[in-house]
Amino acid sequence: EAQVTQNPRYLITVTGKKLTVTCSQNMNHEYMSWYRQDPGLGLRQIYYSMNVEVTDKGDVPEGYKVSRKEKRNFPLILESPSPNQTSLYFCASSLRAVYSTDTQYFGPGTRLTVL
Amino acid sequence: QQPVQSPQAVILREGEDAVINCSSSKALYSVHWYRQKHGEAPVFLMILLKGGEQKGHDKISASFNEKKQQSSLYLTASQLSYSGTYFCGTSEGASGGSNYKLTFGKGTLLTVNP
Repeated sequence: EAQVTQNPRYLITVTGKKLTVTCSQNMNHEYMSWYRQDPGLGLRQIYYSMNVEVTDKGDVPEGYKVSRKEKRNFPLILESPSPNQTSLYFCASSLRAVYSTDTQYFGPGTRLTVL
Repeated sequence: QQPVQSPQAVILREGEDAVINCSSSKALYSVHWYRQKHGEAPVFLMILLKGGEQKGHDKISASFNEKKQQSSLYLTASQLSYSGTYFCGTSEGASGGSNYKLTFGKGTLLTVNP
């Protein structure tokens, strides 16, 4: 089954404790992206990647890191999480970048709480 | 810059029609539309590319007015299953990597009642 998976689905952590949220897709997609969703603010893009080793900042990259060493994986790293990073996070992928008519598939989401 | 969606919320009775608008102050290359039900991931509805095209998807269609930098999503003969939050995502011009960056509006909450 074609899908985007994220782990963990729920995470409660404390300020300053490094964490990684994994994202993996099995569709051989070139384009992957991370978003955070907060009430009243909609979806905001954190980072995106057009292909392996090619990443760029979205609208809210501060406090986050990403890497794209393999085509299928795009982990999101919070080196020193803070309470303002408490949010619902989505990973998404599409075959190519947004100039095409490709569907963008979203993962199930990761709900992160930073105490 | 985030595109502006209107209205913020709309309540319909089953069978009624609705229009959701998405406007940007910047030149757009494409507009994406998604629907998200509570507690679930957004689901892709359609993408429109610059050129003023209109696309349809069952009873849901959309248009993209390049001159006005505005897209509208049309839901006709609404069904209970249409309930959810609708988001538009926009990307800007074709230079450099700006095609690939999507900026979403804050969403429009659509409620369809029996």
